[in-house]
Amino acid sequence: QVQLVESGGGVVQPGGSLRLSCAASGFTFSSVGMNWVRQAPGRGLEWITFIRYDGSRQVYADSVKGRFSTSRDNSKNMLYLEMNSLRPEDTAIYYCAKEGPAAAGKAFDHWGQGTLVTVSS
Amino acid sequence: EIVLTQSPATLSLSPGERATLSCRASQSVGIYLAWYQQKPGQAPRLLIYGASSRATGIPARFSGSGSGSDFTLTISSLEPEDFAVYYCQYSNNWPPLPFGGGTKVEIK
Repeated sequence: QVQLVESGGGVVQPGGSLRLSCAASGFTFSSVGMNWVRQAPGRGLEWITFIRYDGSRQVYADSVKGRFSTSRDNSKNMLYLEMNSLRPEDTAIYYCAKEGPAAAGKAFDHWGQGTLVTVSS
Repeated sequence: EIVLTQSPATLSLSPGERATLSCRASQSVGIYLAWYQQKPGQAPRLLIYGASSRATGIPARFSGSGSGSDFTLTISSLEPEDFAVYYCQYSNNWPPLPFGGGTKVEIK
């Protein structure tokens, strides 16, 4: 079955950096686009980045553009999120999410359990 | 950029009642609209894609409708496990892929 497992969250000071990972299994990782979605405490969902199946294209939300970078290693079935210049408002649970097939309108059909990032001094 | 507005913010209903949730887009999104359910402490779960198609394993009491800029998620008869937060999302080949602010369905 499809599994997405995030790791790498923790506490970091403002201005610091952190790298999140998402280990994928149960599907052909190299054939599907992947996304990161975050959720601040008590708040709604915020899509933050997409990476094409082959890594050739990335798109970012304005809130993280220029600070966050997403990448993937299809040989290892791994997705990454490099986060720099972190701010307190980046405090959130970070989810990786797999896009569904085109017939499903690319909706996010599987999600990881999330990893918590806390930006605080 | 597309903005999705969900209403109401909170819906207070009793088990067995019908729930009607709204999602309005700032511009036409065709049928590229998905709905998700999120329970406390859990990741979101896909309910509806393409505005009206149920995802795998989703009960028939959940239905989606609409196109263009106005969409509705209907739960025909609320079960205890349906009390949760529901989000709509613009889903397409072309990011960004924003979410609405969510509607909390709570027990009255």
